[in-house]
Amino acid sequence: AQSVSQHNHHVILSEAASLELGCNYSYGGTVNLFWYVQYPGQHLQLLLKYFSGDPLVKGIKGFEAEFIKSKFSFNLRKPSVQWSDTAEYFCAVNSYYGGSQGNLIFGKGTKLSVKP
Amino acid sequence: KAGVTQTPRYLIKTRGQQVTLSCSPISGHRSVSWYQQTPGQGLQFLFEYFSETQRNKGNFPGRFSGRQFSNSRSEMNVSTLELGDSALYLCASSWDMRQETQYFGPGTRLLVL
Repeated sequence: AQSVSQHNHHVILSEAASLELGCNYSYGGTVNLFWYVQYPGQHLQLLLKYFSGDPLVKGIKGFEAEFIKSKFSFNLRKPSVQWSDTAEYFCAVNSYYGGSQGNLIFGKGTKLSVKP
Repeated sequence: KAGVTQTPRYLIKTRGQQVTLSCSPISGHRSVSWYQQTPGQGLQFLFEYFSETQRNKGNFPGRFSGRQFSNSRSEMNVSTLELGDSALYLCASSWDMRQETQYFGPGTRLLVL
């Protein structure tokens, strides 16, 4: 069965520090990759997505992610975090099979706390 | 454009009861998916509907069911509630069958006592 692993459960950073959140998935075929964010008290929002093309994907609020197919990874990065980035971040994958896409498989999430 | 809406936002039930949750997708979206979010298991896929047909189903017992109406609105039903069904139930809609980007609603928080 497909799975998505997020390496860090909780990350604590100071403002202006750089961020990298790891995400690895288990499926070997064609995949679509997503990062969602859930700010405190708000619903899940799409940060960025990768379907094909340039493996370096830029999203909203200065976030980017790099798809490395050989490593089955899709790590999220931001050069300088702000207090407002405090949230929970979810990596998600869906894959092609039988000509259609399957459901989204989510990682367990990484809580990011940014200290002002 | 209005986002995905879910009603009710909060619900308290007792064991053995049943519950129905509602989701209205973004206008024009035909695919609606449901997820259960708990602290222990994270976000788990329940099922997906497209044009009133269940297209995909997760690994949940038959007590969990759903349907979609001709206007794409969807309902989810849980019968014979158990304490472990306490969770945030999220609905997501997408533009087409390929679920390229799903947009999530605020969720319904269900507490089973």
